Amino acid sequence: SQQGEEDPQALSIQEGENATMNCSYKTSINNLQWYRQNSGRGLVHLILIRSNEREKHSGRLRVTLDTSKKSSSLLITASRAADTASYFCATDVSKLTFGKGITLSVRP
Amino acid sequence: GAVVSQHPSRVICKSGTSVKIECRSLDFQATTMFWYRQFPKQSLMLMATSNEGSKATYEQGVEKDKFLINHASLTLSTLTVTSAHPEDSSFYICSATNPGPGALAQHFGDGTRLSIL
Repeated sequence: SQQGEEDPQALSIQEGENATMNCSYKTSINNLQWYRQNSGRGLVHLILIRSNEREKHSGRLRVTLDTSKKSSSLLITASRAADTASYFCATDVSKLTFGKGITLSVRP
Repeated sequence: GAVVSQHPSRVICKSGTSVKIECRSLDFQATTMFWYRQFPKQSLMLMATSNEGSKATYEQGVEKDKFLINHASLTLSTLTVTSAHPEDSSFYICSATNPGPGALAQHFGDGTRLSIL
């Protein structure tokens, strides 16, 4: 089964609101990565958090990692319509394994 | 930043045709590239790891004779779907890791939408 599972499957918010997406995984990891995919396009790497890190920031993105709960969250603050996309977490053990993704819709 | 180019972006062809997809790293040398397959609203499924100068490593359940991978140079990997059938219709995406200290993120091409009639 897949290593990463995102939650919720779909999220719809108003522009300016914050979006929180969660990811759970099953086995120990080296690092966890979040990617974004616009419809019909490839994936874009957003942020990587190593297993010994608990929180990381990049612009409007904030990622947390709780290895005891085997979970991670991605927070997008002050969302914009352009943030509308699918977001995937990927766990890195010997290879990257992706979850099913979260579809984020940001209404203008 | 690291750029990966994938070509073509879309292919529509008849059943039985073989289709070649190219994946190029434009501004870095990639000793390893990855090929994924993605069904609508689904996750990416790793098909194989393409190694420059050696045979590709295929994931369990992926037919190596069906999906031929060639990684003849440090900037180019190709995936050939041989004798494609409608069930091979999917979105195929390649990626590469830019080598260097701490390089862990993968850089993706824009994908190829393959439709077999």
